Formats: sequence, structure tokens, C-alpha cells
Amino acid sequence: GESVGLHLPTLSVQEGDNSIINCAYSNSASDYFIWYKQESGKGPQFIIDIRSNMDKRQGQRVTVLLNKTVKHLSLQIAATQPGDSAVYFCAENGQTGANNLFFGTGTRLTVIP
Amino acid sequence: GAGVSQSPRYKVAKRGQDVALRCDPISGHVSLFWYQQALGQGPEFLTYFQNEAQLDKSGLPSDRFFAERPEGSVSTLKIQRTQQEDSAVYLCASSRRLNTEAFFGQGTRLTVV
Repeated sequence: GESVGLHLPTLSVQEGDNSIINCAYSNSASDYFIWYKQESGKGPQFIIDIRSNMDKRQGQRVTVLLNKTVKHLSLQIAATQPGDSAVYFCAENGQTGANNLFFGTGTRLTVIP
Repeated sequence: GAGVSQSPRYKVAKRGQDVALRCDPISGHVSLFWYQQALGQGPEFLTYFQNEAQLDKSGLPSDRFFAERPEGSVSTLKIQRTQQEDSAVYLCASSRRLNTEAFFGQGTRLTVV
């Protein structure tokens, strides 16, 4: 399954399935993007980042895709596990050299055992 | 320590009271950020330090908010005359330099009653 947008949608997937979380970022000048995972009561945890000179970057069980033409970012999680249940945020830096990250509202991922 | 440490984890303040929130960044990290996260929302930028210099404080919501990092390591976020709308989780993050992997602390949950 997949989810679109930054309006705190909820995505439910079966354990073992692949998850796709989408994000529409706002600033065409953004050149650095990060995906964070946040579990209840904890701070955001870095998952993976990507710079604007790349279209794809892979980590352990995660892949981030960047489409600058339509200002779209996605996070793919392979073989989703119960421990992946959390809220996922994409963040953009807003402009080259910006001093902060702009976060979306997040997507809540629930993994069904 | 291995990660960003924040204290206290929880703070309950009476309206009008001053509070101080502490952040111990990862050793050697030049960049330090403070964010405010309301319930169900993504983190919102407050301020940014590069070493001891506060280079961006555009996100501080009012002059009741003050942050410092006098020796370029530990940072303190101070809120004077707290109000109920200040209730939120305050997150600190640090990174080696700007636009690199930023690590967050657990946050301080402030409740103003």
C-alpha cells in the first residue's frame, strides 16, 4: 500500500509486505532531504538522507526516491516488520545552505502482525 | 555520551514560571538545533547554533524564548513567563556540520498548567 501527502495519513501494512510512504515537498530550492522515524515518546530517528544531485539512495531495507520535477519524495521499506510501526516524517532544508529543516506533518505506519 | 541528551525529560510549570531546558549534543558536533513539536505535528524550527554563535533565531515564537550555547557545546533553551500555548515537546538536534545527518535527543515534554 502507499500513502500520499503530508496530512498525517495512516498506512497499514501486513508484516512482510513492502511499504511506500510519500511526501510532497514545498520548496523547489531544497537540496537536502531526510526521512525520520518517530516512535511514541521518542525523538525523531534518522533513517536515510538524499541530496538533490541524486534520484535514489538505498540503505538497509530502505530506499529513498527523489523526483525533483514534481517535488516528490518517497520512502520504501522492504519486508516491513512490527518494529517499523511509527510516524515517518520527511524533512527538507528549504534552500541551499539553510540553517534548518522543514518537517511535514508525518505519516503513521502501522504494521499488522 | 553516544547520543544527544536532553534534560529534564518532563517538566510541569505553572503559568508565569520560567523554565530552562538543557541539551547535551554529540561531542564534536558543530551544529545544534532546537525544535518545538506540538502533539500530532511535525517538529518546527526554533533556532540554530554553529558552535557558540546563534546564526538563526527566526523560529523563536516570542521574546520570552531565549537560547544560548556559550562554549559551543551544551545549550540551554529558556522560556520566561510560560503560557499554556508553550506546552509542547522541545527537541534538540546536533550534526557535524550544516546539511549533514542530524541526530535528535529524546526531547523535553513541557506542560504549562
